[in-house]
Amino acid sequence: QVQLQQWGAGLLKTSETLSLTCAVYGGSFSNYYWSWIRQPPGKGLEWIGEINSSGRTNYNPSLKSRVTTSVDTPKNQISLKLSSVTAADTAVYYCARVGVAYYHGSGSYYMDVWGRGTTVTVSS
Amino acid sequence: EIVMTQSPATLSVSPGERATLSCRASQSVSSNLAWYQQKPGQAPRLLIYGASTRATGIPVKFIGSGSGTEFTLTISSLQSEDFAVYYCQHYNNWPPMYTFGQGTKLEIK
Repeated sequence: QVQLQQWGAGLLKTSETLSLTCAVYGGSFSNYYWSWIRQPPGKGLEWIGEINSSGRTNYNPSLKSRVTTSVDTPKNQISLKLSSVTAADTAVYYCARVGVAYYHGSGSYYMDVWGRGTTVTVSS
Repeated sequence: EIVMTQSPATLSVSPGERATLSCRASQSVSSNLAWYQQKPGQAPRLLIYGASTRATGIPVKFIGSGSGTEFTLTISSLQSEDFAVYYCQHYNNWPPMYTFGQGTKLEIK
């Protein structure tokens, strides 16, 4: 049973850097991409970016200039850094495993295991 | 950029009845669509991937259908634990990008 445990600073001031870590327990780490998703209070889900065990990354273009993800394969951990935060970055941040299924030769990607979320509040 | 639009924003259904939720893509996404359920204070839970394949442990009452631009999540025999917010999600191959719909809140009528 794969479990994701995440942690990081929950209260930041404007212009600081958000830093979160997600550890993977109980399953394969190397065969997957691992995503970060956030959800502002009362709003929907926004994908931030993803990384695989080799360090290959993809980012949401709207956040790309401020996002850095990293991987520590021996520890089965991924990390997220978001720089120059503002109140608009206040949200619950989730890490998730990316699964894939192939249909008609094309991949269909989805998040099949989620962490419990970390609430991050940015104040001035 | 592909936009995912869910309707309705809120759906009121009585327990025991059936709910039908819709998700529309601004252009064809083939079968590259997933559905999630989210309850207050919890992380989303994967229900359906590949438009119609139930995830591990998901009851048969959850049925995903559609392809191209029109998708439906049907939930039969609604019970109290089914009332939640539901999101659809698409993955775009290039540039790599995951897009969620804005969600449908399924509430008790």
